[in-house]
Amino acid sequence: LAKTTQPISMDSYEGQEVNITCSHNNIATNDYITWYQQFPSQGPRFIIQGYKTKVTNEVASLFIPADRKSSTLSLPRVSLSDTAVYYCLVGALNTPLVFGKGTRLSVIA
Amino acid sequence: GAGVSQSPSNKVTEKGKDVELRCDPISGHTALYWYRQRLGQGLEFLIYFQGNSAPDKSGLPSDRFSAERTGESVSTLTIQRTQQEDSAVYLCASSLALATGEPQHFGDGTRLSIL
Repeated sequence: LAKTTQPISMDSYEGQEVNITCSHNNIATNDYITWYQQFPSQGPRFIIQGYKTKVTNEVASLFIPADRKSSTLSLPRVSLSDTAVYYCLVGALNTPLVFGKGTRLSVIA
Repeated sequence: GAGVSQSPSNKVTEKGKDVELRCDPISGHTALYWYRQRLGQGLEFLIYFQGNSAPDKSGLPSDRFSAERTGESVSTLTIQRTQQEDSAVYLCASSLALATGEPQHFGDGTRLSIL
């Protein structure tokens, strides 16, 4: 299973764009990249998923370079409510997810 | 619509007792997963049900752990002779398991504390 590496923590001010980069050097051909968000005492919540290039939805963008060895989750104009742990996961579709420790994002007023 | 529901939300029990945790997946979701999350850690996969296929039990940490699923609905995770290291949040997720990779939807878990 491909292992991911992401920063343990990040701080940001409200209104700023936040970019969280994840390394996955051993990603396999059939692996997808998925990001989840988790608030305290809640289950993880799906944010975005991609295979290559760029994916955008109503809450985030995901940038994946051609070699797919890394990916960057971009959160536009964060607010205090975006304070959470963000997990980068790599794996084949419809398989159990492999979680690391995630990135703890703290948004400051 | 209704999301994944887990019960109880909290469970405190004495070491050596058996516990049963329940998961009600989203209606129509064929895939169901159980994970465990220790304090400050990421989630660990436990077991995976997909339709009528044999479950993937490769993540179960010991033979004290077992799980069942009735058709494509409710699942129960049973831990026998609980130990203190079993204290964790147990999370259930379900998905449609489509070829397009429908994401997993999680419940808010059962917080299990073993005294």
